[in-house]
Amino acid sequence: QVQLVQSGAEMKKPGASVKVSCKASGYTFTGYFVHWVRQAPGQGLEWMGRINPNSGDTNYAQKLQGRVTMTRDSSVNTAYMELSSLRSDDTAIYYCARERDFSTSRAIDYWGQGTLVTVSS
Amino acid sequence: DIQMTQTPSSLSACVGDRVTITCRASQNINTYLNWYQQKPGKAPSLLIYAASTLQSGVPSRFSGSGSGTDFTLTITSLQPEDFVTYYCQQSYSTPRTFGQGTKVEIK
Repeated sequence: QVQLVQSGAEMKKPGASVKVSCKASGYTFTGYFVHWVRQAPGQGLEWMGRINPNSGDTNYAQKLQGRVTMTRDSSVNTAYMELSSLRSDDTAIYYCARERDFSTSRAIDYWGQGTLVTVSS
Repeated sequence: DIQMTQTPSSLSACVGDRVTITCRASQNINTYLNWYQQKPGKAPSLLIYAASTLQSGVPSRFSGSGSGTDFTLTITSLQPEDFVTYYCQQSYSTPRTFGQGTKVEIK
């Protein structure tokens, strides 16, 4: 069965960086885009970007450009999201997710369990 | 960027009621519209994709409609487990964008 298993919770100080991993299993890792979505406490869903695990090509949300880097290691079926220059408003649950292409659309059909990143001095 | 406006932000209803949530895109997205359900403390889960196609395993009381810029999610005969939060999302282009969410509460 398809699974996305993320790394554990992180606590960071302002200005630091965090790297979250997302290990995929149960499907061909290089066949599906991996997206990253975050959710601040009590807030909605915010799309951060995506990576094509086959090519490594990425697209990032404009507001995070320059601070976010998405990478992958296909040898271990794992995607990574690194966020630098952390601020308190980066405190959120970070999700990785797989996007599937349907014949007339595309949608995220599997999500990781989420990783809580807390930024506090 | 495509803006997604979801209304209402919250609603109160009773078990057995029918409710409708609306999502409007700032430009034509054909049927590249998805609906997700999120239970407290959990990751979102896919309910409907391509505006009206039910994801496998989703109860038939959920339905979606629309194309272009205007879309609706309808839940007929609300069940206790349906009192959670729902999000629309466009997958027409990047950046992918979500609606603000609708929290369905028990009246």
